Amino acid sequence: AQSVTQLGSHVSVSEGALVLLRCNYSSSVPPYLFWYVQYPNQGLQLLLKYTTGATLVKGINGFEAEFKKSETSFHLTKPSAHMSDAAEYFCAHKPDSNYQLIWGAGTKLIIKP
Amino acid sequence: EAGVAQSPRYKIIEKRQSVAFWCNPISGHATLYWYQQILGQGPKLLIQFQNNGVVDDSQLPKDRFSAERLKGVDSTLKIQPAKLEDSAVYLCASSLAGGAEQYFGPGTRLTVT
Repeated sequence: AQSVTQLGSHVSVSEGALVLLRCNYSSSVPPYLFWYVQYPNQGLQLLLKYTTGATLVKGINGFEAEFKKSETSFHLTKPSAHMSDAAEYFCAHKPDSNYQLIWGAGTKLIIKP
Repeated sequence: EAGVAQSPRYKIIEKRQSVAFWCNPISGHATLYWYQQILGQGPKLLIQFQNNGVVDDSQLPKDRFSAERLKGVDSTLKIQPAKLEDSAVYLCASSLAGGAEQYFGPGTRLTVT
């Protein structure tokens, strides 16, 4: 069965430090990959997506992610964390256009002052 | 462009009562999704509509949950009767037909006591 694994239910970083949130997916075909962010009491907002083309994808709020087919990974990074980045982040995978989104369990990002 | 609208934002009911949630997708989006998100977990797809037809309702507990999208635009999700374990955030999302990217509403937080 298809799955998405997010390593670490909670990640804590200091303000100004590098943010790295890990996501691995299981798929044998080139996928669609997404990162969504969810702030408290809000819906999900798309941060960035990979469909085809360049494997390094830039998103909103300074985030980017790199699709690595050989590692079946799509890790999310941001060079310098800001307090406003504190939220829950979800990785999602869509094996093809006719398939439903497969979601990771989420990683809560905590920013220490 | 207006986003996905949902109402109400919050609802508290007693077990065995009924409740209904409403969703209005982004104009022109043929596909509509209802998700259930339990605290600390990723979203779980309940039902997917393409226009006014059901594409996938395999994870909808049909003995108590129902959903409709009669005119292919807005949609209603109903729970009757509610159980304690239905306490969750109910998210509505929409996308273009065949589109990979989903746009989410703010969600309805349901508490069943």
